[in-house]
This record gives sequence, structure tokens and C-alpha cells, in this order.
Amino acid sequence: QKEVEQNSGPLSVPEGAIASLNCTYSDRGSQSFFWYRQYSGKSPELIMFIYSNGDKEDGRFTAQLNKASQYVSLLIRDSQPSDSATYLCAVNFKRAGSYQLTFGKGTKLSVIP
Amino acid sequence: NAGVMQNPRHLVRRRGQEARLRCSPMKGHSHVYWYRQLPEEGLKFMVYLQKENIIDESGMPKERFSAEFPKEGPSILRIQQVVRGDSAAYFCASSPRLPADPYNEQFFGPGTRLTVL
Repeated sequence: QKEVEQNSGPLSVPEGAIASLNCTYSDRGSQSFFWYRQYSGKSPELIMFIYSNGDKEDGRFTAQLNKASQYVSLLIRDSQPSDSATYLCAVNFKRAGSYQLTFGKGTKLSVIP
Repeated sequence: NAGVMQNPRHLVRRRGQEARLRCSPMKGHSHVYWYRQLPEEGLKFMVYLQKENIIDESGMPKERFSAEFPKEGPSILRIQQVVRGDSAAYFCASSPRLPADPYNEQFFGPGTRLTVL
């Protein structure tokens, strides 16, 4: 069973702090990893993706990938109340000859003003 | 460039009726995916389609559910004889690239919230 695991939270951080969101996945052969943000009652919105080991930065967001540990994380610097949402980690798994994006259940982030 | 469009945004059906959900991908995107999200659950893959072809339907229940992406017009997810357990948010996503492409970013529509009474 190919799975993506996330801590459901809620993760509470004060405004201006760094929020760290973590994700582990079961298939060592996975190649690409995605972070989505989902506000309550809304659709997932792509934040960024990463496919190479190391860090990838985009504005206040940094994705980190460690394939040996099967671990991917998202750091949000200078967290704002508007960052309060559920963050979904997604991994592109190969299943039965085709690739499918498999999502974790998400981590709920709350940024306290 | 309009994003992924879905309609209706909300759909109420009684048990036994049919639900028909529509999705128009972003311009230039030929790959369409349907996902279902139950309350407090993650997004679950249902089906992947290209124009006129179902490529992977391994996540879709074998009975009552069907999907199509005709040469002209939107992709359709059809649920026949709906039951209460079908109540969920159904999201469509589109991509310009093949699923095996590492850059396969999927962009989601606003979703259809289906309620079965």
C-alpha cells in the first residue's frame, strides 16, 4: 500500500514565526512531490513542487526533500494569519503501470495573531 | 487564462437519482483527473482521462460511477442511483503534462459539493 503520512495537527504558531510541516511517504521510487494549500470549503491550491534532494525556495515558502529518509517538508517563514489553512502533501506514485497523485490527509495550520 | 471550471458548485440529489458533474480543464491542458474528498478525509484519486479516452479508472467504484471526456465539451463524472455515502466534494484537476512527468503539476477546479438526501 503506497501511502503519504502527515501529522493532522492542528499546528499552532504565532504570527511571524516559522511553521514547519512534515510529510513521509512509503515508496522509495517516487520522483515528484507537491504541496497544496486548502482553505476550509475551498479547493486545493498548488504552492510548490520539488523533485530533487535538497531545498527549493519560493518567496516565504521552502520545500525540503530527503529521498533517503522518504521525507518532505514545507517551511513557511514569517507566518501570517492568512496562512491558516490545511496543507496537503502529495506524492506521484506509480501504480499498476500508471502514475497517480496520492495525497496525505493534511496538516491544519493555525497562525495566531 | 481561465482556471479549471466545474459546475454545478453545489448539487442536491435524492437517493436513487443521477448526479452529473462537469469539468472544463484549463486552456491547453489535455489531462483531466477526478478526485473525491470526504469530510475530514484526504483527496482520493478516482479517474484519469485524456480526450476521448479513459486512461486509468482504478480509483473509481466499479458500479454506478462513470466518466468521460468527449472530443468536444467538458469532462463528465456521472453517478447513477446515488446513495448517502456518495455525499462528498468532487474535484477535477487538469495538467498539461503526462502523469509520469516529474513536472506534472495539477491545477484544481472549485469542486462540486454533492449532497444526497
